[in-house]
Amino acid sequence: GAVVSQHPSWVICKSGTSVKIECRSLDFQATTMFWYRQFPKQSLMLMATSNEGSKATYEQGVEKDKFLINHASLTLSTLTVTSAHPEDSSFYICSAGGGRTGELFFGEGSRLTVL
Amino acid sequence: GDSVTQMEGPVTLSEEAFLTINCTYTATGYPSLFWYVQYPGEGLQLLLKATKADDKGSNKGFEATYRKETTSFHLEKGSVQVSDSAVYFCALSPPGGTSYGKLTFGQGTILTVHP
Repeated sequence: GAVVSQHPSWVICKSGTSVKIECRSLDFQATTMFWYRQFPKQSLMLMATSNEGSKATYEQGVEKDKFLINHASLTLSTLTVTSAHPEDSSFYICSAGGGRTGELFFGEGSRLTVL
Repeated sequence: GDSVTQMEGPVTLSEEAFLTINCTYTATGYPSLFWYVQYPGEGLQLLLKATKADDKGSNKGFEATYRKETTSFHLEKGSVQVSDSAVYFCALSPPGGTSYGKLTFGQGTILTVHP
């Protein structure tokens, strides 16, 4: 089946630094990618929708200047957490749509810990 | 807004036991309903789906029926295996093809099956 890969799978950083998470569709072109955030023992919450070559659409309450999303190609989207703080610590999951069936495929997630 | 509520876990069963994971939803119109599964160290995978009332989704021995009257989409399996141990997420997407990636997730249910 189609594969979506995230990197890094986990990252620890100091408060105030920026962290970039990559999401790649390995064997299909993803016209749309989505970024979710998951808090412990809670459901995934959609943060933003990105379309290749255009600006991301952010969900209500998500700071677009804090969470920069770039979808520069049909196989890569990046999420940059700028000036990270401990409250940004979370599990970030991307998904990619497209391919032959248009089905949605998920990455394995990236755990961010901000000290 | 839309919401999904899953039974709280974790759920622990012996091999060959019957499994039910309850899922109810709140949404306008007729959303599409999904069950996703996340095995350890992997991304979410679509397990089954139903797109209209009374549809039954099925895959790998799992079944769920879209019940509009009770706004439910309970997941069932007649005989679980150790390999079914995973986290299960119920989710919905609003009606309309352009919103297929805007999933609203339940909080997930951890299933552990013992030999």
